[in-house]
Amino acid sequence: GAVVSQHPSWVICKSGTSVKIECRSLDFQATTMFWYRQFPKQSLMLMATSNEGSKATYEQGVEKDKFLINHASLTLSTLTVTSAHPEDSSFYICSARGSGTGSGNQPQHFGDGTRLSIL
Amino acid sequence: SQQGEEDPQALSIQEGENATMNCSYKTSINNLQWYRQNSGRGLVHLILIRSNEREKHSGRLRVTLDTSKKSSSLLITASRAADTASYFCAAGTGANNLFFGTGTRLTVIP
Repeated sequence: GAVVSQHPSWVICKSGTSVKIECRSLDFQATTMFWYRQFPKQSLMLMATSNEGSKATYEQGVEKDKFLINHASLTLSTLTVTSAHPEDSSFYICSARGSGTGSGNQPQHFGDGTRLSIL
Repeated sequence: SQQGEEDPQALSIQEGENATMNCSYKTSINNLQWYRQNSGRGLVHLILIRSNEREKHSGRLRVTLDTSKKSSSLLITASRAADTASYFCAAGTGANNLFFGTGTRLTVIP
């Protein structure tokens, strides 16, 4: 099946640093990738939709200057949390979906998530 | 923003019993998807049912969809301890977005 690799799986860093999270589709081309945030025992909240070669579309309330998204190729999207603070601590999950006709009726394939802890 | 709610929030059953989870959503959909999440991990896609379908099976999973009531259910038959996880429904509303429900935490007791 389709595999999405997310790296790193765990990050602990000091307040004020920037953290980059990578999301790679390993065996398929992902025109669209998604970034979610999940708080403990809660659902996934969509942060932004990333389309290859174009600017990401951010959900309401998500600061685009805080959460920088780059989708430079059909297999890689990155999320950079800039000047991270303790309130940014969370579980971040990416997903990818294949391209083509009917992609809206295709499932998303998820990475294993990145647990970010800001001290 | 979330578009779905799931019921119950938590479910505890004995191994071998069936588990039923319900999902309600708020908007028009192209499809309804169910995902599973083990603690601290990403989501695994279980099954997708299109808006013009009413029922779908995959192994021990059975999903129903009632678009008139904007609801779906996931039935896991003959549950196993390994089925312990959180289960999320997600409403597919268009070309891109999925809106996830609040999730049901299923515990299967050996």
